[in-house]
Amino acid sequence: DTGVSQDPRHKITKRGQNVTFRCDPISEHNRLYWYRQTLGQGPEFLTYFQNEAQLEKSRLLSDRFSAERPKGSFSTLEIQRTEQGDSAMYLCASSSPSGRGGEKLFFGSGTQLSVL
Amino acid sequence: AQTVTQSQPEMSVQEAETVTLSCTYDTSESDYYLFWYKQPPSRQMILVIRQEAYKQQNATENRFSVNFQKAAKSFSLKISDSQLGDAAMYFCAYRSGSGANSKLTFGKGITLSVRP
Repeated sequence: DTGVSQDPRHKITKRGQNVTFRCDPISEHNRLYWYRQTLGQGPEFLTYFQNEAQLEKSRLLSDRFSAERPKGSFSTLEIQRTEQGDSAMYLCASSSPSGRGGEKLFFGSGTQLSVL
Repeated sequence: AQTVTQSQPEMSVQEAETVTLSCTYDTSESDYYLFWYKQPPSRQMILVIRQEAYKQQNATENRFSVNFQKAAKSFSLKISDSQLGDAAMYFCAYRSGSGANSKLTFGKGITLSVRP
């Protein structure tokens, strides 16, 4: 179990630029989640995948955001035309479903995005 | 929609003492799960303890225990024999028991400091 890996750890970009983050889940986990966390707040759900299928998207995920999980392995989260309000920690988590809602989520260390 | 409320932004405890962190939630569902997550300065979310709503017995994990009051929709975390390593942000989270809705809804968190 090598844990959930996220890359990069930090990203500084200028407003209007595109950025892409990567998440490598625990290998046997078929569920993958993206959350966003701003300073002083709890994580907010963005989207989740079961295998390669994106099953739910939050209303927070505007059309500038897109997430993919090709082949049901790693996932990417792209933000186009970044805005200063996009500055946040982007967290990825993975899990293996237990058939109910109680399975344990394993989180990565996140990607801290700063938009100047 | 489910909501999770953590009304105490900060708490402080003396090393070796006991501290209780409060959380309330709102839901119309009868089948759900509640969690406490710890987020140290490394920013990686770590599961502390989990409670299934249909279980009346309060969950316990070593020095961590919960007081689950389903009728009052209250879910507090008690940390016994506090250690310096317990200093972190703690988040209460809710998850529906229905497999159709797998996201975690987090509270705003509470910052716990431990005095030596």
